[in-house]
Order: sequence, then C-alpha cells, then structure tokens
Amino acid sequence: DAGVTQSPTHLIKTRGQQVTLRCSPKSGHDTVSWYQQALGQGPQFIFQYYEEEERQRGNFPDRFSGHQFPNYSSELNVNALLLGDSALYLCASSDSSGANVLTFGAGSRLTVL
Amino acid sequence: DAKTTQPTSMDCAEGRAANLPCNHSTISGNEYVYWYRQIHSQGPQYIIHGLKNNETNEMASLIITEDRKSSTLILPHATLRDTAVYYCIVRVDYNFNKFYFGSGTKLNVKP
Repeated sequence: DAGVTQSPTHLIKTRGQQVTLRCSPKSGHDTVSWYQQALGQGPQFIFQYYEEEERQRGNFPDRFSGHQFPNYSSELNVNALLLGDSALYLCASSDSSGANVLTFGAGSRLTVL
Repeated sequence: DAKTTQPTSMDCAEGRAANLPCNHSTISGNEYVYWYRQIHSQGPQYIIHGLKNNETNEMASLIITEDRKSSTLILPHATLRDTAVYYCIVRVDYNFNKFYFGSGTKLNVKP
C-alpha cells in the first residue's frame, strides 16, 4: 500500500519564478494538508484541502495557493518566489472519518536562488 | 491555540528507556496530545496520541498527567534508529486536523 508520494523531490528556482509541487495521498485518504519546514524548525501549516476546497489556512500570503483534484491528489503553487521560500514542503494526508492521524510524504526540497 | 514546550535535546543510552517530556499547560478539555517524530530528511512519522488516559502501542507509551498539563512519551528500549526529532503536538481544531508543530526534542541515542 503506497503511502503519500510527493514530486519532485528536489528543485531549484530563482527569485520571482513560480513553482508547482504535487502530492498523491495515501490510499483511502481524502484530505490533504501542506506544511512548510524551514531548516532547523518544525513544520508550519500552510493549508488543507477537502472535497476540492481549501478548508483551513495558516499564516501564509496569497502567493501560496493550492488545488485538490477529484482523485484527492493535490498541488501547491507558490508565485513570485522569495529567498525565504526555500524550505522542505511536506504533504500530509488523512481520513476525514477516523482517528485523524496524518500520514506525511518525504517532502519536496525547494531552493530559491 | 494550545502550545507545547519541550526540551531542545536529550541523550539516551541504547537499550535504555527514553522518556521525553512535554508541557501543554493551556490545553483545552477536548484537545488531544499527539506525538510525531522526524528522522533526518524524512517526513514526520506518527507515533501515538491520547486524550486523558495513558496509551500504549507497538512503538511507545504515552503518559498524560491527571490535570492534562503535561505528558511523557516513553520509548521502552531505545535503539540507534530512534535518533530523531520528536514533536509533541496539541490538535488545535478537531474538525480540520490543523496541527501546530513546535521545535521538538532532538533525541540522541548513543551506543
């Protein structure tokens, strides 16, 4: 049973560019959350998607947007990249009707130059 | 949002029990305590969670004080592979699974 898969694993962008990160949730999960983890810090909640809508959002600017598809997979888009956006971006999926345990992917490491 | 306080780092000898404390003095009555760990360069891994009773699974035990203001994660026989950052988290929103991660405790298991 595949867990949460994320792509790409690593990528390098320059300031001002845009990036799209992708996530496939664990089989049977219908909710996807995105987290940003800067070096040496804990993950910070960006937003959560359920039934193809953004249901909850953390303290992140509108440059961060997302999407969830009918098959529950999700994308995270970041526009006008800043140096401070360099981080590990983690996707976590969960079942909306269970113990609400998050299953995390291995993350996408974004470096902004 | 209920926040947590954990020691920055701890050491444990291989084969001994690792006891990781967490303070969550502002926790509300319906907020659960979750523990995750993150091994270097991997995504966080769920360990255990509880509300008010002590819990045990194949990975660890969770001891929550009666007033629920603190808890302890116990790894009964630590191995080198348990070296990781351990996060104690209070679930801030029951319906939406929004988790607040602090800085965690870096557990160093030494031979």
